[in-house]
Amino acid sequence: DTEVTQTPKHLVMGMTNKKSLKCEQHMGHRAMYWYKQKAKKPPELMFVYSYEKLSINESVPSRFSPECPNSSLLNLHLHALQPEDSALYLCASRKGTGELFFGEGSRLTVL
Amino acid sequence: GQNIDQPTEMTATEGAIVQINCTYQTSGFNGLFWYQQHAGEAPTFLSYNVLDGLEEKGRFSSFLSRSKGYSYLLLKELQMKDSASYLCAVRALNYGGATNKLIFGTGTLLAVQP
Repeated sequence: DTEVTQTPKHLVMGMTNKKSLKCEQHMGHRAMYWYKQKAKKPPELMFVYSYEKLSINESVPSRFSPECPNSSLLNLHLHALQPEDSALYLCASRKGTGELFFGEGSRLTVL
Repeated sequence: GQNIDQPTEMTATEGAIVQINCTYQTSGFNGLFWYQQHAGEAPTFLSYNVLDGLEEKGRFSSFLSRSKGYSYLLLKELQMKDSASYLCAVRALNYGGATNKLIFGTGTLLAVQP
């Protein structure tokens, strides 16, 4: 199993909603990442979890709240988002050699 | 901080060779990766360099010069399916060296024409 699975694939939410994005991997990787990608732009790092602890927060607004319940799961809780937060949210897990495996992403639209 | 630059767009002909350059300035450099991303899909790993020199992997090769802060990706025998964005990404150790950040460059959109 060399997959990173993200759900949902598409999400539409209002600015007052609370929703969550989920990511799962069963490759035994101990580091997981959240990236945000706008159209025709490269992925921007948001958070890194290493051994289930938050190790990097790239000054992300508090309306994005990450959570790592165990070594296979990574969530991103969303609350009071803005329309400019609409983007593709990519989850990745890191192999020991440093290579990242990406999920297909969750495409978020904030109305 | 990090600064990673690539050409925005390139065009090449099927069967030809194309070189995509990447220059970077970063603290805590700990390796450079190349990823391919087709429109609407996730990035996929192509190559990794941590030492100076050339790494060859089938039709794809990647070169690194750490002293010059420079890398390139070489694609040979281009195929139409190689039309995609190519992302240079630098791995840097964060403060304390505890965790790796992977920071992506601006990306190069390659169009392969018949």
